[in-house]
Amino acid sequence: SQQGEEDPQALSIQEGENATMNCSYKTSINNLQWYRQNSGRGLVHLILIRSNEREKHSGRLRVTLDTSKKSSSLLITASRAADTASYFCATDSRPQTQGGSEKLVFGKGTKLTVNP
Amino acid sequence: KAGVTQTPRYLIKTRGQQVTLSCSPISGHRSVSWYQQTPGQGLQFLFEYFSETQRNKGNFPGRFSGRQFSNSRSEMNVSTLELGDSALYLCASSFYPASEQYFGPGTRLTVT
Repeated sequence: SQQGEEDPQALSIQEGENATMNCSYKTSINNLQWYRQNSGRGLVHLILIRSNEREKHSGRLRVTLDTSKKSSSLLITASRAADTASYFCATDSRPQTQGGSEKLVFGKGTKLTVNP
Repeated sequence: KAGVTQTPRYLIKTRGQQVTLSCSPISGHRSVSWYQQTPGQGLQFLFEYFSETQRNKGNFPGRFSGRQFSNSRSEMNVSTLELGDSALYLCASSFYPASEQYFGPGTRLTVT
C-alpha cells in the first residue's frame, strides 16, 4: 500500500498564484522528499526534509513537516506555467524487521496545472 | 556529470516474451532502484540494489528480477510478459539507499 498520499489529486491555478500540496503518511520516517515529474518523463528531486526539521526552503519552494500529524506540505510561490507537472512525496519506510532496510515509497501525486 | 541513462527508451513486445532493461547510474552512486509507473497504480517500487546486493524488493511476482554489476550498472528482466506489464519503468540512482534519488528518463514498455 502507498505510504504517502498527496492531496489534492489535481490542482489548477493561474500564473502568479501560490500552489499548496499536502502529503500524509502512515508510519515513522527518517526523511520525506518531494519530486516533480513532467509528463511521461523521469522524476526530478526537489527537496528533502529530515524528521527533525520542521521547515525547509529552496528558491520558490517551501516545505513543512509535522511528524505529530504525519503530514507535509509543499508550497510553490508565484507559480509559473513551467511549474505545470505532477508532484510526488516520497517517504522512507523504516524497516519493520531487524536487519531490514529502508526503501522510498511514493504517493500517487498531485497534478498541478498553471494557466498562463 | 552525466545523468542516469536508461536503454532502450521505448520497447514494444508481445505477450509471453521476455525483456531486459538497462540502467547506468551516475558515476559514484552505488544504489540503484527500479520503479514501475502506470496510470492506475502510480509509482510502485520494484527493487533496490546496493553494491551488487538486492537490499529491498517490492510486491511483484517472480517474473520480475534484477541484478547489479560491479560497476553499479543494473538490469531488470521481466519474463513471460503480460499486457498489464505495459508501463513506464524508471531507474533511479543515489549515494545511499533511500537518499536523494536521481531518475533516468525511463523505458516505455508496451506489451501487445
